[in-house]
Amino acid sequence: GAGVSQSPRYKVTKRGQDVTLRCDPISSHATLYWYQQALGQGPEFLTYFNYEAQPDKSGLPSDRFSAERPEGSISTLTIQRTEQRDSAMYRCASSLDGQSQETQYFGPGTRLLVL
Amino acid sequence: AQSVTQLGSHVSVSEGALVLLRCNYSSSVPPYLFWYVQYPNQGLQLLLKYTTGATLVKGINGFEAEFKKSETSFHLTKPSAHMSDAAEYFCAVTDNGNQFYFGTGTSLTVIP
Repeated sequence: GAGVSQSPRYKVTKRGQDVTLRCDPISSHATLYWYQQALGQGPEFLTYFNYEAQPDKSGLPSDRFSAERPEGSISTLTIQRTEQRDSAMYRCASSLDGQSQETQYFGPGTRLLVL
Repeated sequence: AQSVTQLGSHVSVSEGALVLLRCNYSSSVPPYLFWYVQYPNQGLQLLLKYTTGATLVKGINGFEAEFKKSETSFHLTKPSAHMSDAAEYFCAVTDNGNQFYFGTGTSLTVIP
């Protein structure tokens, strides 16, 4: 696609429910990143993929968080048993090949509110 | 470990005045440095980046930043602020292209 898209743009859920967020990267991009951005903070790294491989998931806050990219394109981020502290903007970005100098292109984000 | 500090969460300048947004980083290896801008309800957009070579980097919309290794800084400047520059600005650092560390952001207000 022309840019990175994310869905849904807004999600309100009740504590304890599972949520799945979707990211559709730029079609030619090998590398995909997930970030969590709390209100008033900068994005914090969660995990990244090179195609379908997930070399680094050290930023995931707990085992309730998981991400997939089974075919090396679209990715999902799932949060199980959501808690209020999970409320944040979740941002996805993609880059051509994950090299340090490569520009990351960000999607508009999904704002998650856990009640 | 790497980290980014952005001094001043809110900066206000008059239209036509100099814009200076500060960014200091810590990194154990030579870093790659980035400035991103975020307009309301949009994703982050790259303004400019430093990888190697010339330490003064020019970006879009008249912005530029200078990498100063001795000061571990990468401050963002623009000679003359425009109303359309009002946005949130994030400085980021990486050493391997995989884990990016962002600052907490600086909200720029331009006063007419």
